[in-house]
Amino acid sequence: EVQLVESGGGLVQPGGSLRLSCAASGFTFSSYWMHWVRQAPGKGLVWVSRINSDGSSTSYADSVKGRFTISRDNAKNTLYLQMNSLRAEDTAVYYCARAIAKGKFDYWGQGTLVTVSS
Amino acid sequence: DIQMTQSPSSLSASVGDRVTITCQASQDISNYLNWYQQKPGKAPKLLIYDASNLETGVPSRFSGSGSGTDFTFTISSLQPEDIATYYCQQYDNLPPTFGQGTKLEIK
Repeated sequence: EVQLVESGGGLVQPGGSLRLSCAASGFTFSSYWMHWVRQAPGKGLVWVSRINSDGSSTSYADSVKGRFTISRDNAKNTLYLQMNSLRAEDTAVYYCARAIAKGKFDYWGQGTLVTVSS
Repeated sequence: DIQMTQSPSSLSASVGDRVTITCQASQDISNYLNWYQQKPGKAPKLLIYDASNLETGVPSRFSGSGSGTDFTFTISSLQPEDIATYYCQQYDNLPPTFGQGTKLEIK
């Protein structure tokens, strides 16, 4: 059974940092591109970042470029999102998602809440 | 970025009704269009991929159609468990973008 389990969310002050993790199981993690998608409270889904299967290529939404870094450890079957210089508008539930064919998200984690507030 | 415009933003229907949601892309996206269902407090779930293909395990009352810029998502006979918010999403171009969502309620 495919499982994606996020962790690392919490309350952080503006300007602070957090690292999110997404532990994958039930599939060959190293064969799939992975994405982060976020959802602000009461709002819609917004794509954040993606990484290719071996970690050599990454992309970011303009809103997080230069502040967030996506990475992966295929030996540990884990995806990461390092978030620096956090802003109030980064407050959201962050989901990791497995991608088929560029951008078809066939499995999602349960999400982890990040709250940026003083 | 490609803009995805969904309508309506909310919809109230009765059990057994046929429900239709539309999604319009700001440019041609061929058939690179997916539909997701999200129930409160849960992660989105893929229902339809590539505009018209039913994901494995999804009930056949769900369907999708369209290509280019105009797409339609249909529930042929609404069930109580279908109460959720539905999103379209394009993946023709980076960044992948989502519609604003359609919140479906039971009348």
